[in-house]
Amino acid sequence: GNSVTQMEGPVTLSEEAFLTINCTYTATGYPSLFWYVQYPGEGLQLLLKATKADDKGSNKGFEATYRKETTSFHLEKGSVQVSDSAVYFCALRSAQGGSEKLVFGKGTKLTVNP
Amino acid sequence: EPEVTQTPSHQVTQMGQEVILRCVPISNHLYFYWYRQILGQKVEFLVSFYNNEISEKSEIFDDQFSVERPDGSNFTLKIRSTKLEDSAMYFCASNPGQGYNEQFFGPGTRLTVL
Repeated sequence: GNSVTQMEGPVTLSEEAFLTINCTYTATGYPSLFWYVQYPGEGLQLLLKATKADDKGSNKGFEATYRKETTSFHLEKGSVQVSDSAVYFCALRSAQGGSEKLVFGKGTKLTVNP
Repeated sequence: EPEVTQTPSHQVTQMGQEVILRCVPISNHLYFYWYRQILGQKVEFLVSFYNNEISEKSEIFDDQFSVERPDGSNFTLKIRSTKLEDSAMYFCASNPGQGYNEQFFGPGTRLTVL
């Protein structure tokens, strides 16, 4: 079945450091890929998405590129801020069978220190 | 900006009791979902609902669970007889229509079963 594996956390960085959170997936066909973010005390918010191979999703300085050849969708940011401290979830939605459900990774907690 | 709301934010109940978790999806959205996250684990799909019926459900969604859209705005998840292992954060989500990739999540209800 479909699955998502993402880098175990927690991740602690200093402000302005470079961030990478790895995400790989297993799916048939061409799923849509997402990064969701959960700030403390809040729900899941869509951060960025990509719907086909080689697409790059970007938002708020974060980027992720849909790599079909490596089945990956790694999240990157060049310079993190304290306000980026949150839990980040990689997710996919299958392209097949009419399924609407999202399949999530375990989440990676990021803490950015000033 | 429209958002999905959920009540209560925290529900404490005794094992064996029935609970109803409530969600108000974004107005004019057509697809509705419930997910749960047991502490420290993945966000897991429970059920999707469209056109007043369940369109997909996971193996977690057994006979103890039911969903309902009793009026034009609310979407509820009922757990008939709660177990300790039902303790989790429950997220409601909605989506404007088929083919629209993004699901919009509520802030979640933390359910604690004692």
